[in-house]
Amino acid sequence: DGGITQSPKYLFRKEGQNVTLSCEQNLNHDAMYWYRQDPGQGLRLIYYSQIVNDFQKGDIAEGYSVSREKKESFPLTVTSAQKNPTAFYLCASSINRVGYEQYFGPGTRLTVT
Amino acid sequence: QKEVEQNSGPLSVPEGAIASLNCTYSDRGSQSFFWYRQYSGKSPELIMFIYSNGDKEDGRFTAQLNKASQYVSLLIRDSQPSDSATYLCAVKKVTGKLIFGQGTTLQVKP
Repeated sequence: DGGITQSPKYLFRKEGQNVTLSCEQNLNHDAMYWYRQDPGQGLRLIYYSQIVNDFQKGDIAEGYSVSREKKESFPLTVTSAQKNPTAFYLCASSINRVGYEQYFGPGTRLTVT
Repeated sequence: QKEVEQNSGPLSVPEGAIASLNCTYSDRGSQSFFWYRQYSGKSPELIMFIYSNGDKEDGRFTAQLNKASQYVSLLIRDSQPSDSATYLCAVKKVTGKLIFGQGTTLQVKP
């Protein structure tokens, strides 16, 4: 089955701790993205990557970091510098280039207390 | 002004009716337009995309694009209770980035 997997589904952390969210895809897509969604709001782009070993900041990159060492994997680290990290985090991927139709993973709901 | 605007709703329609969801965008150079459906607590699911002016039909769904008016809409015919969800409009800007609207909540009443 081709698709995008994110783990874990729910994650709880104490304030001040870094946490890494996993995203894996077996669709052979070149581009991968991270978004966050807050209640009643649309999706906001955190980081994106068009090819391995390259990534760009999105609109709200502060307090986050990513890596793209393999085509299939694009993990997101939420650092202690992120002021309001509690949110629904969504990973997506697309063929070819940025802007083609994106397909989403099931998401990780992060709660920081 | 938001780059992609949608009425948050809720839009309530009776079962079997046509639901009309609307979206406006500010970047005249935008080229691609997408509709996602998101059930409560779930991730968005792509249901339609449209690149050219006019209508594009897929089953009970029709996407309509009017670039001159910077307007894209989604029609759902024969609405079912299972269509109750939030519908997100997304617009690909000239830069290549995808910008999402806040979403319109649709309620289909049996």
